[in-house]
Amino acid sequence: GESVGLHLPTLSVQEGDNSIINCAYSNSASDYFIWYKQESGKGPQFIIDIRSNMDKRQGQRVTVLLNKTVKHLSLQIAATQPGDSAVYFCAETAPSNDYKLSFGAGTTVTVRA
Amino acid sequence: ETGVTQTPRHLVMGMTNKKSLKCEQHLGHNAMYWYKQSAKKPLELMFVYSLEERVENNSVPSRFSPECPNSSHLFLHLHTLQPEDSALYLCASSLSFGTQSNEKLFFGSGTQLSVL
Repeated sequence: GESVGLHLPTLSVQEGDNSIINCAYSNSASDYFIWYKQESGKGPQFIIDIRSNMDKRQGQRVTVLLNKTVKHLSLQIAATQPGDSAVYFCAETAPSNDYKLSFGAGTTVTVRA
Repeated sequence: ETGVTQTPRHLVMGMTNKKSLKCEQHLGHNAMYWYKQSAKKPLELMFVYSLEERVENNSVPSRFSPECPNSSHLFLHLHTLQPEDSALYLCASSLSFGTQSNEKLFFGSGTQLSVL
């Protein structure tokens, strides 16, 4: 079946450094991708999204890169701050799945002071 | 604040109890969702309501019973649960269901459920 997964379950990063969180997907028909951040005790919060007609999209301190050739998605966080410590989820949708989001298991990011 | 409010935040119940989880969205969305989040696992979609009609039921045991009285409110009624049902239950909403350009979900903070 189709699956969405992250390469590493945990990531430790020094405050001020850049973070890169990776995600692989298997459905070549996926056409929309989204990143969520979940802090302890809270629900997932939208960070950034991208459609398959784009390779890159930038937000405030975050950039999402999409490589459709190898079915790979990444989230880059610039100048990582303590408030960035959270679990990060990627998700994707496809027309064949009624555009429902399929989530990966998440990467726990810990920022070291 | 995402505009999706869930109550209670925490719930402890015995296996013979009956309880309900409540979700309310103030975003004017037409679709609402229940997800189960267990440790180290991807979010599991349980139910989807679109315009107050259930459009998805992902093989969820009958001890979970959803109710959507209107497009702003969603309930999950619980009875005779098992310890393995302990998890974070998340409610979400979207502008509509099953349409491109409206895939983004807005989540509540969840109800942390413990079944003893």
